Amino acid sequence: EPEVTQTPSHQVTQMGQEVILRCVPISNHLYFYWYRQILGQKVEFLVSFYNNEISEKSEIFDDQFSVERPDGSNFTLKIRSTKLEDSAMYFCASTGIGYTEAFFGQGTRLTVV
Amino acid sequence: GDSVTQMEGPVTLSEEAFLTINCTYTATGYPSLFWYVQYPGEGLQLLLKATKADDKGSNKGFEATYRKETTSFHLEKGSVQVSDSAVYFCALSDLQGGSEKLVFGKGTKLTVNP
Repeated sequence: EPEVTQTPSHQVTQMGQEVILRCVPISNHLYFYWYRQILGQKVEFLVSFYNNEISEKSEIFDDQFSVERPDGSNFTLKIRSTKLEDSAMYFCASTGIGYTEAFFGQGTRLTVV
Repeated sequence: GDSVTQMEGPVTLSEEAFLTINCTYTATGYPSLFWYVQYPGEGLQLLLKATKADDKGSNKGFEATYRKETTSFHLEKGSVQVSDSAVYFCALSDLQGGSEKLVFGKGTKLTVNP
C-alpha cells in the first residue's frame, strides 16, 4: 500500500540552526501539506502546496519557514533559524485528485535545544 | 473561522465497554468530517470519514454519523479492545468554504484495560 514517508524520524538541533525536514508523498498525489503537533496539544495546519506554489498557509508559517518541491518526489519544510518553541512533531500529508482525505506520514520529532 | 470541539480526555475503559467520544464543529461551508487515530509512537491514520449529512462512516467496528442539525460527528464503538488504545482526533475540511486544510480537535486519549 502506498504511503507517505518522512525523514528523519527524530532530529535534535541547536537553537538558531537551520533544519530541513523531508517528505516523500504518495507518488500520484498533487496536494501536499505540513502540520505540526506540539507535545500534548492539537495538530495544527502550517501550509498547503499545489502546482509548485503555496496555496494556503497559517499564521504560524512565518518568514522563518519555507517549503519546496525540489524534484518530482520530495517535499521539504525548512526552518531557517530554529527557536525552542519550534520543538514539535511535524507531519507531512498528501492528497490525490478525487480523494477527500489526507494521508499522513509517521512524523519527524524535532527537538530544539 | 472553522473549529472542532472534542471531548476532553483521557478516557479509560475496560475491554468490551461501549465507547463514545463527542465531537462538534463550526464551519463556514459544508465540511467533510473525519476521525483520525494515532497509535503510540505512530503517525496519524484515517479511521473513518463522512462527506455529507446523514452519512455514516465506519471502520474496524467504529462508527460516526454526520449530523448537520446538531453539527456533530460523535465516534462510537460497541465493544472496545486493548488494541484500540490510542489518541483519537476529530477533524474537518471545508472545501466549499474555500479551504482544503484539515482543522483538528485537541484529541482524546483512550486507554483500554484488559
